[in-house]
Amino acid sequence: QVQLQESGPGLVKPSETLSLTCAVYGYSISSGYYWGWIRQPPGKGLEWIGSVAHSGNTYYNPSLKSRVIISVDTSKNQFSLRLSSVTAADTAVFYCARVGRFGEYSGYWGQGTLVTVSS
Amino acid sequence: EIVMTQSPATLSVSPGERATLSCRASQSVSSNLAWYQQKPGQAPRLLIYGASTRATDIPARFSGSGSGTEFTLTISSLQSEDFAVYYCQQYNNWPPLTFGGGTKVEIK
Repeated sequence: QVQLQESGPGLVKPSETLSLTCAVYGYSISSGYYWGWIRQPPGKGLEWIGSVAHSGNTYYNPSLKSRVIISVDTSKNQFSLRLSSVTAADTAVFYCARVGRFGEYSGYWGQGTLVTVSS
Repeated sequence: EIVMTQSPATLSVSPGERATLSCRASQSVSSNLAWYQQKPGQAPRLLIYGASTRATDIPARFSGSGSGTEFTLTISSLQSEDFAVYYCQQYNNWPPLTFGGGTKVEIK
């Protein structure tokens, strides 16, 4: 059974960098699939942030591309998100997910972690 | 970027009734469309992919149809556990993967 678990600070100050990690259990990242981050502002819909392939190739939402880095650490079986220069508009629940063999859809999700941007 | 539009925003349905949710793409996405269910405080759950293929362990009362730009999710007989928000997502032309704004199915 594939399981994903997000971790990271729940509070980040404006202009700083948000950093989250997703640990994967029950499946080796190096075996394949894409691994992604999706966010959901409180009371709003879902927004895809980006995905990383098991090879390390990355794909980002153009709307966030200048501020996002997603990386994979196969030795720890985890992948990470860094979002720089955050503002209050970046406050959201952040989900990590396994995004399909070709990056299509997400069959496995973490439970999500709320990150609030506030001073 | 392909824009996904869902309608209605809210659907009021009585238990046991049929619910029909719509999703429209701003350009053709072929059959590369997924549907998710999200309950309060939970992560989304994949229901349908390939526009009409049910994901693992999804009950048969959920069905998806459509191709190109028009898609439908049908719940044949609503159960109490089906009241939730439903999202469509295209994966035909990415990045970016894009989601619709969601349809909330509430108890009438």
